[in-house]
Amino acid sequence: AQSVTQLGSHVSVSEGALVLLRCNYSSSVPPYLFWYVQYPNQGLQLLLKYTSAATLVKGINGFEAEFKKSETSFHLTKPSAHMSDAAEYFCAVSGISNTGKLIFGQGTTLQVKP
Amino acid sequence: SAVISQKPSRDICQRGTSLTIQCQVDSQVTMMFWYRQQPGQSLTLIATANQGSEATYESGFVIDKFPISRPNLTFSTLTVSNMSPEDSSIYLCSAIAGGRDTQYFGPGTRLTVL
Repeated sequence: AQSVTQLGSHVSVSEGALVLLRCNYSSSVPPYLFWYVQYPNQGLQLLLKYTSAATLVKGINGFEAEFKKSETSFHLTKPSAHMSDAAEYFCAVSGISNTGKLIFGQGTTLQVKP
Repeated sequence: SAVISQKPSRDICQRGTSLTIQCQVDSQVTMMFWYRQQPGQSLTLIATANQGSEATYESGFVIDKFPISRPNLTFSTLTVSNMSPEDSSIYLCSAIAGGRDTQYFGPGTRLTVL
């Protein structure tokens, strides 16, 4: 079975500081991995995705993530946090047999302090 | 990409009643899904909405409780039947357009059951 673990349910950074949100996955097949962001009272927006091409993936709003097979990780980073980055972030892995089904981590709330 | 809308955006319902949520996509999509996000939690897949046939439900979800329709390639409905307060959640529709590597989400329907 596939699973996703996000380390840290709540991360707080200062504006301008590095953002690092951790995601580890378990998969018996080569995974597709995704990061989504959810702003308050809104749906999910895709930040970036890994689909077996380049291991360093660049997304929207200055975010990027690196796929590390040896560590089964897909951590999300941003060099400099902005107040508008405060939101809930979800890591997800695609289901087995390419069914399109997503398995989500528990989410990480990012707080950005002025 | 695909733009997804949902109706209603929110509702407050009485115990024992049913609510039907509509999901409309602005283009034909290959796959559609329904997820539930319980308060303060991550997303859990309810079912895959299959066009022209019965939906495929995940473990713990049954058709009698969550009947789903998908009459064409752009529209789906989810009904939450015989509601109880435990059904209070955000229900999100999602869709995959073209290739199977990007899933887009609707804004969600926030349901409160009294």
